Amino acid sequence: EAQVTQNPRYLITVTGKKLTVTCSQNMNHEYMSWYRQDPGLGLRQIYYSMNVEVTDKGDVPEGYKVSRKEKRNFPLILESPSPNQTSLYFCASSAQGLNTEAFFGQGTRLTVV
Amino acid sequence: RKEVEQDPGPFNVPEGATVAFNCTYSNSASQSFFWYRQDCRKEPKLLMSVYSSGNEDGRFTAQLNRASQYISLLIRDSKLSDSATYLCAVNMGTGGFKTIFGAGTRLFVKA
Repeated sequence: EAQVTQNPRYLITVTGKKLTVTCSQNMNHEYMSWYRQDPGLGLRQIYYSMNVEVTDKGDVPEGYKVSRKEKRNFPLILESPSPNQTSLYFCASSAQGLNTEAFFGQGTRLTVV
Repeated sequence: RKEVEQDPGPFNVPEGATVAFNCTYSNSASQSFFWYRQDCRKEPKLLMSVYSSGNEDGRFTAQLNRASQYISLLIRDSKLSDSATYLCAVNMGTGGFKTIFGAGTRLFVKA
């Protein structure tokens, strides 16, 4: 089954404790990206990757890191989480091209206290 | 001004009603357009792509107006199961993968 898998689905952590949210896709997609979704603000892109070892900042990259060492994986790293990073996070992937559908993971609800 | 704007709603309509959503975008270089559906606390899923000629899928019709820079979604004969948030998305086509989403429009269909 074609899918994007994120883990964990739910996470409560404390300020400053490094965490990683994993994302894996099995569709051989070139493009992957991370979004955060907050009430009234919609989905905002954090980082995206066009292929292995190629990543770039989205609209809200501060406080986040990513890596793309393999085509299927695109982890999101919060080196020192802060309460303003409490949000719902989605990973997405799509094939190369403009008119291609984005497939989303099930989301990770992160709470930083 | 936001790059992609939608009326947040909520739209409350009875079953069987016709409802329309609009979404405006600011970048005239935008190249591809989509409507996604998002159920509460779930991931967005593609509802339909929006082509210049317009497209229809059953009760759903999407249209693009490049001159006025907006896309629309029309839902006919609304069902209870249509209750969800509808997100428009615009791909900037800047050589990367930069898709901008609107904040979403909430629809409640009531019996």
